[in-house]
Amino acid sequence: GDSVTQMEGPVTLSEEAFLTINCTYTATGYPSLFWYVQYPGEGLQLLLKATKADDKGSNKGFEATYRKETTSFHLEKGSVQVSDSAVYFCALRENAGGTSYGKLTFGQGTILTVHP
Amino acid sequence: GAVVSQHPSRVICKSGTSVKIECRSLDFQATTMFWYRQFPKQSLMLMATSNEGSKATYEQGVEKDKFLINHASLTLSTLTVTSAHPEDSSFYICSATPGAGGWSPLHFGNGTRLTVT
Repeated sequence: GDSVTQMEGPVTLSEEAFLTINCTYTATGYPSLFWYVQYPGEGLQLLLKATKADDKGSNKGFEATYRKETTSFHLEKGSVQVSDSAVYFCALRENAGGTSYGKLTFGQGTILTVHP
Repeated sequence: GAVVSQHPSRVICKSGTSVKIECRSLDFQATTMFWYRQFPKQSLMLMATSNEGSKATYEQGVEKDKFLINHASLTLSTLTVTSAHPEDSSFYICSATPGAGGWSPLHFGNGTRLTVT
């Protein structure tokens, strides 16, 4: 079945440091890939997505490129801020047309803490 | 953008009682809704998929008689935790989509923190 593996956390960085959170996936079809962010005590927010190979998703300074050859979707940000402290989830969703309910499969989440 | 409202945001109940959590799509018709459960410092685990007007499809290991899901309208799905026990304490999150295919966008509620004492 489908699966998503994220680098283990927690990740602790100083403000303005470079961030990489690794994500690799296993899927039988051609999934869409997502990064979600969860701030303390809140639900999930879509951060960015990519729907096909070589697509780059970007938002709020974060970006990730859909690499089919390495089955990866690593999240990067050049300069993190304290406000980026949150849990980040990588996820995939099969695009199996009308027969699929399109459920998301999540990675285990990576806790990011950014210190001033 | 599309909004999914989940209510209540927090609930504390006594062991043995039942708790109902509502998930509403406010500005679109949700053909499909998903219910997830999140344990502390862990990922979201899909519990069940519900389609309006039909029975929910539960993931393996989820007790359908304990976690009752009703999707009676295109804007409302409810999750009822029956005879709750402390081990049911968790963060429950719903998501909704207007379509049935993998391309249809997903929108998440803000979650419900359930504490069973």
